[in-house]
Amino acid sequence: ETGVTQSPTHLIKTRGQQVTLRCSSQSGHNTVSWYQQALGQGPQFIFQYYREEENGRGNFPPRFSGLQFPNYSSELNVNALELDDSALYLCASSSAGGPDTQYFGPGTRLTVL
Amino acid sequence: AQSVTQLGSHVSVSEGALVLLRCNYSSSVPPYLFWYVQYPNQGLQLLLKYTTGATLVKGINGFEAEFKKSETSFHLTKPSAHMSDAAEYFCAVSDPGGYNKLIFGAGTRLAVHP
Repeated sequence: ETGVTQSPTHLIKTRGQQVTLRCSSQSGHNTVSWYQQALGQGPQFIFQYYREEENGRGNFPPRFSGLQFPNYSSELNVNALELDDSALYLCASSSAGGPDTQYFGPGTRLTVL
Repeated sequence: AQSVTQLGSHVSVSEGALVLLRCNYSSSVPPYLFWYVQYPNQGLQLLLKYTTGATLVKGINGFEAEFKKSETSFHLTKPSAHMSDAAEYFCAVSDPGGYNKLIFGAGTRLAVHP
């Protein structure tokens, strides 16, 4: 069974640029959630996708957007990067509904200069 | 709105000593409760979770936690710390009626000394 994978591992961008992060969900999971973890803080929920539709969103501006594909993999896109976007971005997959465990990937470390 | 408070951003124990990491939550309904561990430069790994039923939950690596509704707490314990337990620990809640969004505390960094 393959776990959650994310790419790239590290990324350096400059302010104003756009970035795309990728996530492959664990086999059998149809729900993907994205979290932002700033240095020294707990992860914060960005949004969740279920069967290719956004299923819920946290307190993040519209320049944070996402996609989910038919194979349930997902992308997180961030436009007009700001310095405060520097963080570890975590992807988690789960089966829909209930208290099903979310399985996290290793994350993508984004640095905005 | 739900929230999670982890008391103590840093906890230091000696190898073999009791580990106690504190977590209190605020929620209008009894939430689902989770503890995750994060090792350096890695993602989050589930230690244990409480949904319904028995309030004492046993997890991996010898950890356990007890849900106390009257105290709105879900403290994590381990009887005897091991050097390999050194990591960041996060308590999280989710709304049973919601879509399984996790709300995390700020985390507690556990150091284990020989």
